[in-house]
Amino acid sequence: RKEVEQDPGPFNVPEGATVAFNCTYSNSASQSFFWYRQDCRKEPKLLMSVYSSGNEDGRFTAQLNRASQYISLLIRDSKLSDSATYLCVGFTGGGNKLTFGTGTQLKVEL
Amino acid sequence: DAGVIQSPRHEVTEMGQEVTLRCKLISGHNSLFWYRQTMMRGLELLIYFNNNVPIDDSGMPEDRFSAKMPNASFSTLKIQPSEPRDSAVYFCASTLPNGGNTIYFGEGSWLTVV
Repeated sequence: RKEVEQDPGPFNVPEGATVAFNCTYSNSASQSFFWYRQDCRKEPKLLMSVYSSGNEDGRFTAQLNRASQYISLLIRDSKLSDSATYLCVGFTGGGNKLTFGTGTQLKVEL
Repeated sequence: DAGVIQSPRHEVTEMGQEVTLRCKLISGHNSLFWYRQTMMRGLELLIYFNNNVPIDDSGMPEDRFSAKMPNASFSTLKIQPSEPRDSAVYFCASTLPNGGNTIYFGEGSWLTVV
């Protein structure tokens, strides 16, 4: 079983829709979590951190449930420019190790 | 500020040839990571260094792969001999001291072994 698992998608949604991605992790020692965004043929870039209390950045909301070892990303009012692959990432301290999920592909259509 | 710089950006080579990928860290960063990305397996951590010292190389697929960090700002990933299944995008990334939360990626080296 992979340490961080995501539904690969693709998620095809119309512009303006709300879409949610889920991610589960198996390493209970993971301390922090993040969502990265990767555009086609580009490198991954940090989208946002995920806090236990939930956090919001504009149209994006991230949630962490440690009891269920579950992370989510909600995108409201999706734009064409949101089309990308979204990577869930777990950080295990001590070894300074980041583990990436395989990513969920989002396609926002007119 | 210059980001993580990788070279070559693209390489096509024949099976059996040696491949060397290069990476220059962001100034002030002290952790370096080599990742490999394929459609089938996603982004896999191959090896990472802290302060030039290899910490975890458990992701290196086999003895054909080796990585070095001869100084604080530079690293190489070598494949010898290369095989078609090594075709992938190889990303180098770095983080600040005690700043493992944010990892900065280079643009990747796109390797095709024919």
